[in-house]
Amino acid sequence: DAGVIQSPRHEVTEMGQEVTLRCKPISGHDYLFWYRQTMMRGLELLIYFNNNVPIDDSGMPEDRFSAKMPNASFSTLKIQPSEPRDSAVYFCASTPGQVSYNEQFFGPGTRLTVL
Amino acid sequence: GDSVTQMEGPVTLSEEAFLTINCTYTATGYPSLFWYVQYPGEGLQLLLKATKADDKGSNKGFEATYRKETTSFHLEKGSVQVSDSAVYFCALAPYTGRRALTFGSGTRLQVQP
Repeated sequence: DAGVIQSPRHEVTEMGQEVTLRCKPISGHDYLFWYRQTMMRGLELLIYFNNNVPIDDSGMPEDRFSAKMPNASFSTLKIQPSEPRDSAVYFCASTPGQVSYNEQFFGPGTRLTVL
Repeated sequence: GDSVTQMEGPVTLSEEAFLTINCTYTATGYPSLFWYVQYPGEGLQLLLKATKADDKGSNKGFEATYRKETTSFHLEKGSVQVSDSAVYFCALAPYTGRRALTFGSGTRLQVQP
């Protein structure tokens, strides 16, 4: 089975440009999470969805960030306009979430560099 | 709010040495506890977990015991290998409510031959 798929794996862009990160969760998983990893702040949750509905977006840094999940097999994280401080690795994870102790399955991440 | 504290890294060991990575947590109720591992250039993978007090999670020679009295979940391995070199994250999930994981800062382990 394919795991969580993220694209692109690497993205280099210039400040002010729009960036869109994509995620395909594991089929049948009804929870999807977006995390960001930086040296300064470690791993932090940005937003998560349950059955395609955003449940908690309290980690989204500011209005420049938006996330959507139009269907059970696809989610996007958009940054517009991008800034150098957005440079990080962005991970998507999914889980069959009936109970809180289910394993979260992580994608390989998208390494974003904003110049 | 919930939080996880891990020992600072990097931890550098020789092959076959004993490993301990300390993890303590703050949470209300009865969280589930996890250790995830991240190899270079990859996403995180679950290493082991424990869902209630006194449970021991184990996998690939790694062990951790859920100690509610000391709010700890220390990771141990009796004999590390070069292939264990990675970053290890302690994490918790609350029993109810918010479903996302709260991670510690990660501990980098370097094993030398």
